[in-house]
Amino acid sequence: DTEVTQTPKHLVMGMTNKKSLKCEQHMGHRAMYWYKQKAKKPPELMFVYSYEKLSINESVPSRFSPECPNSSLLNLHLHALQPEDSALYLCASSQYGGSTEAFFGQGTRLTVV
Amino acid sequence: DAKTTQPPSMDCAEGRAANLPCNHSTISGNEYVYWYRQIHSQGPQYIIHGLKNNETNEMASLIITEDRKSSTLILPHATLRDTAVYYCIVRQGTTGTASKLTFGTGTRLQVTL
Repeated sequence: DTEVTQTPKHLVMGMTNKKSLKCEQHMGHRAMYWYKQKAKKPPELMFVYSYEKLSINESVPSRFSPECPNSSLLNLHLHALQPEDSALYLCASSQYGGSTEAFFGQGTRLTVV
Repeated sequence: DAKTTQPPSMDCAEGRAANLPCNHSTISGNEYVYWYRQIHSQGPQYIIHGLKNNETNEMASLIITEDRKSSTLILPHATLRDTAVYYCIVRQGTTGTASKLTFGTGTRLQVTL
């Protein structure tokens, strides 16, 4: 099983809402990633978790709050977002270290209204 | 991580080989060259990676120059389903860290009949 599952596939939320994105993998990977991708742009790294601890935060605004409750799950909690936060949010996982490939989910298409 | 330079777009006739170049002149000794592709609105898909030797798998071949400052991804018999944005990425291979996978602007490959 080389699958990273993201839910929901689509999400529309108001600027005062609180919502969460979920990512799950069962490959035993100990590194998990959140990326944000705007239309016609490459994915941009947001967060990296290593062994369930946040290891990299690419200066992401606090309205995005990641959480890694266990080695298979990664959440991204959203609060007070702006319309410009509308994007495709991608989750990925990999073995520890940089010499092995990362597997990506199909993403959550988020629209903030 | 080292930066990469790729042509913004390329065309290829179906059935012919697609050769996608990438410059990574500032690559360091422990950095791997990775290739991913992204078909419209889907998550990035791993293709191949290598350190210094040429690599081949069922999808593609990766040719890395001896000085490691550039590489070429070869899709031997391109099909319409290979139309996608192809990203060349260099990534630290050190163990003990969850290293970043930083995307550049990529090459949009259009395969035509």
